Amino acid sequence: DIQMTQSPSSLSASVGDSVTITCRTSQRISTYLNWYHQKPGKAPKLLIFAASRLQTGVPLRFSGSGSGTDFTLTISSLQLEDSATYFCQQTYSAPYDFGLGTKLEIK
Amino acid sequence: EVQLVQSGAEVKKPGESLKVSCKASGYTFSNFWIAWVRQMPGKGLQWMGSVYPGDSETRYSPSFQGQVTFSVDKSINTTYLHKSGLEASDTAIYYCARLPFYGSGSRYEYWGQGTLVPVSS
Repeated sequence: DIQMTQSPSSLSASVGDSVTITCRTSQRISTYLNWYHQKPGKAPKLLIFAASRLQTGVPLRFSGSGSGTDFTLTISSLQLEDSATYFCQQTYSAPYDFGLGTKLEIK
Repeated sequence: EVQLVQSGAEVKKPGESLKVSCKASGYTFSNFWIAWVRQMPGKGLQWMGSVYPGDSETRYSPSFQGQVTFSVDKSINTTYLHKSGLEASDTAIYYCARLPFYGSGSRYEYWGQGTLVPVSS
């Protein structure tokens, strides 16, 4: 199985800041990586697929990059509504596991 | 509009069985894979497996193989998650999600609202 290592596990930032979340995989997965966020009591929502492709309707302040084993999600110009837990998911090979999550708090 | 509507919360006792439903609307049900995802309290997301409503083909995560089964009722556009012999450790929220296809590069575009299943004596 492919191991997912997401960092940091939590972070705090202010409105208007930019933050970067990292996801590292235990083997090369090309660009088969998705990013989701989840707000309390809600289902996850797809933000980025194929490492860098923005899902329809997701604000342009979200961006993804990376290939192989190292990936990043960057959120620029943070808004209050970006407060959530962010998960990466590899879809290179089954089982299609997720990272443990990064909890983002907006001050 | 694509929608996945799951059955409501169910309180279960150890040893009981579980059947969670996921009813699809707004698209051709038979043409898209459905994944099931578990989220234990305060924890991350775990892929349990996927089912193709067109022919009921299933793929299970090794972590859940033999522990759960998926079924389909095409007459009512609904997929089901089944588990017997519940334990307290099965306490979780169970989500269904729709995929555009199964395999490398897929993504979970649409999600059900989740079904909370507390298991307690």
